[in-house]
Amino acid sequence: DVKVTQSSRYLVKRTGEKVFLECVQDMDHENMFWYRQDPGLGLRLIYFSYDVKMKEKGDIPEGYSVSREKKERFSLILESASTNQTSMYLCASSFRGTQYFGPGTRLLVL
Amino acid sequence: AQKITQTQPGMFVQEKEAVTLDCTYDTSDQSYGLFWYKQPSSGEMIFLIYQGSYDEQNATEGRYSLNFQKARKSANLVISASQLGDSAMYFCAMREEYNNNDMRFGAGTRLTVKP
Repeated sequence: DVKVTQSSRYLVKRTGEKVFLECVQDMDHENMFWYRQDPGLGLRLIYFSYDVKMKEKGDIPEGYSVSREKKERFSLILESASTNQTSMYLCASSFRGTQYFGPGTRLLVL
Repeated sequence: AQKITQTQPGMFVQEKEAVTLDCTYDTSDQSYGLFWYKQPSSGEMIFLIYQGSYDEQNATEGRYSLNFQKARKSANLVISASQLGDSAMYFCAMREEYNNNDMRFGAGTRLTVKP
């Protein structure tokens, strides 16, 4: 079974804080993704990575950065959290085009 | 431009009945894949079923089947014999072959199964 884990299910941060969301997959997948999910908007791609140290911007990269130092780990960084980044964050890895998701992190920025 | 359209924000179905969740898509690519995911209240996105654009037969996975009508660009999900545990959000998604890393999702349909 594909296993994608995320470091936190729920997170509360204050405006201006630096936030790290971690994602780990154990299936040696090359591609990994970060999405945010907001009601009525579906999933929107923030960043993806197709290899170690490689990254590509998705549809809404502003205010975010990513890091992929090891193949199994893909981190999403909010350099200075803002209230409009309150959302559900979903990480995924893919094999032959099918994406497999982690359980999600619900982030609240106060 | 919106690539995936799910026109039903919410659906109700009686337990043990079948239900169809609609999905239409827009692409000029000849080679693409269509996916359905289930998201229960816990938040995890669960992969349900996949249909390739060149697949001649409709995909089936247990109680899930995909009604693929290529000319109409529709990929409706059919759930047979609904169970209470089927209550969840359902998302349709498409991946175009030329852009293997880009998967587009619809806005989702919330399905409620009534006892």
